[in-house]
Amino acid sequence: GAGVSQSPSNKVTEKGKDVELRCDPISGHTALYWYRQRLGQGLEFLIYFQGNSAPDKSGLPSDRFSAERTGESVSTLTIQRTQQEDSAVYLCASSLGRESGGNNSPLHFGNGTRLTVT
Amino acid sequence: AQSVAQPEDQVNVAEGNPLTVKCTYSVSGNPYLFWYVQYPNRGLQFLLKYITGDNLVKGSYGFEAEFNKSQTSFHLKKPSALVSDSALYFCAVSPLYGNNRLAFGKGNQVVVIP
Repeated sequence: GAGVSQSPSNKVTEKGKDVELRCDPISGHTALYWYRQRLGQGLEFLIYFQGNSAPDKSGLPSDRFSAERTGESVSTLTIQRTQQEDSAVYLCASSLGRESGGNNSPLHFGNGTRLTVT
Repeated sequence: AQSVAQPEDQVNVAEGNPLTVKCTYSVSGNPYLFWYVQYPNRGLQFLLKYITGDNLVKGSYGFEAEFNKSQTSFHLKKPSALVSDSALYFCAVSPLYGNNRLAFGKGNQVVVIP
């Protein structure tokens, strides 16, 4: 079956431009996460969506970052006025979340979007 | 807030020898604990999880992990390492109750030497 799909796989942008990253979760997965992975570092939590609940935005590093999710489907992560320190791999993951599997459902990750800000 | 420490940057082990990747965690209350693996040029894959019950958890590819509450540890182990086990391994924790945010460690690069 289809896994988590992220697009684009690579994005090169100039400093100051806005970028939009897309995530298509696994069908039926109510929970969706965005993480950032900088070179040589661990995964940094950005934002979490669970069903119709208010998203947990506590990991967003600045107000230049925002994310939306349409129902229990596609999510977009937007970075405005990109900076060089935004260069990283942005990972999206989905899981069954609370309703079906509780907090213990494993995350299924996409292959990520590699963002390079020049 | 929950956090994970993976103290070693890289773990080198000879093929056929036992492999251990260390993880300690901090969380409010009881934990959910996970191990994920990232093979070169591929996305993260779930390996195993601890929820409740038996402290020794068995997962994919012959890996297992032992939950130790008193030491707040969840070390990953494999009795006999393969060259194909060379990858980046991440430990992760979330609280049993409360927020669903899964906190990851910085990862350990495992290199299995033929």
